[in-house]
This record gives sequence, C-alpha cells and structure tokens, in this order.
Amino acid sequence: SDELTQPPSVSVSPGQTASVTCSGDKVGDRFVCWYQQSPGQAPLLVIHQDSQRPSGIPERFSGSKSGNTATLTISGTQTVDEADYFCQVWNSPTYVIFGGGTKLTVL
Amino acid sequence: VQVQESGPGLVKSSHTLALTCTVSGASLSSGDFYWHWLRRPPGRGLEWVAYIDSDGTTFYNSTLESRLLVSADTSKDQLSLTLRSATAADTAVYYCARESQRTTSEGLQLPDAFDLWGPGTVVTVSP
Repeated sequence: SDELTQPPSVSVSPGQTASVTCSGDKVGDRFVCWYQQSPGQAPLLVIHQDSQRPSGIPERFSGSKSGNTATLTISGTQTVDEADYFCQVWNSPTYVIFGGGTKLTVL
Repeated sequence: VQVQESGPGLVKSSHTLALTCTVSGASLSSGDFYWHWLRRPPGRGLEWVAYIDSDGTTFYNSTLESRLLVSADTSKDQLSLTLRSATAADTAVYYCARESQRTTSEGLQLPDAFDLWGPGTVVTVSP
C-alpha cells in the first residue's frame, strides 16, 4: 500500500511530550520527513532522513523509526508547537506520499 | 532564496487555472534545480501535484495528469502551472517548494526533502 497513516489528532499539555506516529509499508525502507504547518502558514520542514533536524529547528523536535512506524516527538511542548504535522516519503511511481496529517493541540 | 506564488485567486469552473512561482535570491539558470507544486484543499491534507527539474523532466500526480502542465522559464526565474477544466475539487492553497537532495554512500543523488516553501496562493474555483 502507498498510504501513510497518522492519527487525526493528538493532545498534550504544555511542557509535556507529544508523539505523532506515521505508519505504512513504505516507512520501513524509505527515509521519512516531517513538516509542521501552523494556521495560515506554509509547511516547514522539521525532520528529514528519519531523524535529522534542519538548521534552526529547536532541539525539542526529534524523529525516530521502528519497523514500519515513524515517530515525531516534541519534548517540552510549547503552545507555539500547536499545528498540523505531516509525514512524507519519496516513492515511485507516485513519487511523493504524504500522511493524512495530525492536528496537535496544546492545552 | 525566496519563493512567491501568484495566481488569479478565483477561477470559474471548467476554466483553466494558471499559477506562477517566482524564485528570487538564486537564478534557475545557474545550476540544477528540482521544484515541486503541492496543494492543500480546505479541511484536508497536503497533496503533491507536480515536479519539474533543470533537465526539463516532469512528473505529475496521476489523478491530475490529464489536465496538468508545468514548465520553467529560467530567463525569468519562474515556474508555471496550468490546470485545465478546473472543478471545485481544485480549490486549495497552492504551494511551490524546492526539493533538496542527498548523496548516498554509493554516490547517488536522491531526493531528500522539501526544504523551502513559498507562502502559497489561494485558489477558489467557483461554480
């Protein structure tokens, strides 16, 4: 299957740890990227190559993978982290696959 | 490097949607490039639309391919997207995004991530 499955929503209290999962057959043998999209903003790359954090992304964002499930973890979650999060892999022939997205609520 | 999408905002159903992505701070004619168009319909997730690179290679979302054309004008540092026979299902925020590449241990260049996005342009297809 070419699908990536994410939970529609995750809730976390400020200062706690949030985990967003991304599952699918393609996850196990491909690098996973994660994007944060705040309301009214363009997506922002927060993790690439499963666990690499681009320059400028806070250290509280981390990525991991086990089998066919990738996880984005936000430690010490802040209210500014409230956003939609999407996982993504490169795939042929469909070329690019995104997960359905997870709405992270910080309350 | 900055990216800015532009478009008509409102398109009538069955008409053609035409968008432009202008790149500034770097010239498309100065080297290899790999750019994509993506969109996010209201209330839904991100959807990949199309790809174009400096060799002129294009890939299209199979569900849109029959209506879609992307091109690049390196003299203007612009990318273009045209989508014919627009319907309400094409209503979305459209983004252009740069693809970064990684080098494997075997020396292969492969896609890595969408590392630069434009702010997006809203397109509404009206009945």
